[in-house]
Amino acid sequence: ETGVTQTPRHLVMGMTNKKSLKCEQHLGHNAMYWYKQSAKKPLELMFVYNFKEQTENNSVPSRFSPECPNSSHLFLHLHTLQPEDSALYLCASSQELDGFQPQHFGDGTRLSIL
Amino acid sequence: RKEVEQDPGPFNVPEGATVAFNCTYSNSASQSFFWYRQDCRKEPKLLMSVYSSGNEDGRFTAQLNRASQYISLLIRDSKLSDSATYLCVVINEKLTFGTGTRLTIIP
Repeated sequence: ETGVTQTPRHLVMGMTNKKSLKCEQHLGHNAMYWYKQSAKKPLELMFVYNFKEQTENNSVPSRFSPECPNSSHLFLHLHTLQPEDSALYLCASSQELDGFQPQHFGDGTRLSIL
Repeated sequence: RKEVEQDPGPFNVPEGATVAFNCTYSNSASQSFFWYRQDCRKEPKLLMSVYSSGNEDGRFTAQLNRASQYISLLIRDSKLSDSATYLCVVINEKLTFGTGTRLTIIP
């Protein structure tokens, strides 16, 4: 039981579809993150939220749109994605926005773009 | 048993000392292993891969023990800049991170 739950676990979508990834943390943490993990590549930070406010957008294309309605929930809205967007998308949370705090990761959503 | 376990620390080590920490994994079919480093307010960054034969990169040595199902990271001649959280990553059917070991190098 990781405390960070991501849904769906797997998603296959066409390039014209619109879908959303959901992340929920039950740890009472204040910071949440979206990461992209492509095959054989290091983890890439996409967005950072601290107390529901976006603090970092790591040059992510606008076809990815994050939403953080409260400190426990984080969404990633997807539209008109490209095949190179196929990857594992990881959500993480930490108590504070501090690299020394351990980040707790969800299991990820494996996304495949047709 | 958790899939991937790390001692959270903190490890407080004097500058110049050697420090080592392990990461245990439960799935014997795990195929790929990595060490990540995470600095304050930064995303985790890949430090090194872990190969079956063991590998070294400067002051850092990574080893894999499949029989006992753990990987290790050894840091020699530690520097103040080595202070960070070190995350192990294990990949089988999915990617699993440890929660990290916090290391502080003391002047």
